[in-house]
Amino acid sequence: GAVVSQHPSWVICKSGTSVKIECRSLDFQATTMFWYRQFPKQSLMLMATSNEGSKATYEQGVEKDKFLINHASLTLSTLTVTSAHPEDSSFYICSAGQGYATEAFFGQGTRLTVV
Amino acid sequence: GDSVTQMEGPVTLSEEAFLTINCTYTATGYPSLFWYVQYPGEGLQLLLKATKADDKGSNKGFEATYRKETTSFHLEKGSVQVSDSAVYFCALTNQAGTALIFGKGTTLSVSS
Repeated sequence: GAVVSQHPSWVICKSGTSVKIECRSLDFQATTMFWYRQFPKQSLMLMATSNEGSKATYEQGVEKDKFLINHASLTLSTLTVTSAHPEDSSFYICSAGQGYATEAFFGQGTRLTVV
Repeated sequence: GDSVTQMEGPVTLSEEAFLTINCTYTATGYPSLFWYVQYPGEGLQLLLKATKADDKGSNKGFEATYRKETTSFHLEKGSVQVSDSAVYFCALTNQAGTALIFGKGTTLSVSS
């Protein structure tokens, strides 16, 4: 099946710094990428949907200036958590596909801890 | 809004035991229902799905039946293996397929 690679798998950063998470489709072109977040003991929640070459669409309650999403190519999308705070500590997962969320392939996730 | 509720984990079983992970949903319209599995260190993978009432999804010995009357989609397997140890997510989507709504995930641990 299609492979989606997410990097890094885990990261620890200091409060106030920015962290970039990469999501790559290794063997197919992903026109659409989805970013999810999962807090401990909570559901996996969709943060935003990005289409290659256009601005991401953010879900209600997600701060677009804090979670910068770039989808500049058909194989790479990045999520940058700017000025991270401990409450941003979470598990971030991307999925990549060619339109429908149900047909996208998932990365392995990134565990972010802000200290 | 639409939501998915699945049983709290972790679920700990011995090899060859029977598995049930409960999942119920709240949705408008007629959603499609899914079970995803995440093995350690890997991304979520689609395990099975059902697109309409009374459909049964099945894969790798796992089954789930779309029950509209009870708004449920419980995951079952007759005899689990150690290799089934993973996190299982129940999910639904809207009719357009533009969004997936997940449950919290249930961790299954199978020992030999």
